[in-house]
Amino acid sequence: DAKTTQPPSMDCAEGRAANLPCNHSTISGNEYVYWYRQIHSQGPQYIIHGLKNNETNEMASLIITEDRKSSTLILPHATLRDTAVYYCIVYPLEGTYKYIFGTGTRLKVLA
Amino acid sequence: DVKVTQSSRYLVKRTGEKVFLECVQDMDHENMFWYRQDPGLGLRLIYFSYDVKMKEKGDIPEGYSVSREKKERFSLILESASTNQTSMYLCASSLINRGSRNTIYFGEGSWLTVV
Repeated sequence: DAKTTQPPSMDCAEGRAANLPCNHSTISGNEYVYWYRQIHSQGPQYIIHGLKNNETNEMASLIITEDRKSSTLILPHATLRDTAVYYCIVYPLEGTYKYIFGTGTRLKVLA
Repeated sequence: DVKVTQSSRYLVKRTGEKVFLECVQDMDHENMFWYRQDPGLGLRLIYFSYDVKMKEKGDIPEGYSVSREKKERFSLILESASTNQTSMYLCASSLINRGSRNTIYFGEGSWLTVV
């Protein structure tokens, strides 16, 4: 059972910010929000994660709502190479876990 | 950098054949996973393992088995391949105790066609 819900697809103009939403209303207190992306024909790769504070790295920013029931991944200046499927997934830091990826959001960046 | 290597990128097998998909990781990860990915269905977990000789069923284990004889290697076995097992298969690994960051590392994928 997927613990997150995401829109199936989104378009974004090149150079604009891409904002990808994710709902995780049943998230537990020890679970982090992680984002991965999968470029065509490759395995998913880690982008960013967070617990409750907003996070930023060289790839993206992550905004988590105060109640932690939803989050938004922001690609500040989308390029054509950002066209990919983006997965939002929640899981704890430790232990063995059945990582459930769901179907993700297919982002298409338009020239 | 962590490397998860899947032995075959593309395979074509006949119905009824026994198929082995091999996966090796080089970072001493305890957890290893096999997923399959089909259009519109996302990534679905087949089996996972948290230690040598240990295995747990994922969401779609039917028609598959796994083997983990060494920590670095996790094999997916299709005992009698069928056309509905045509798919892309992804192997992944992760640590059990991950400190401040818990990242899952994936291989490049194996495209299996059963004819």
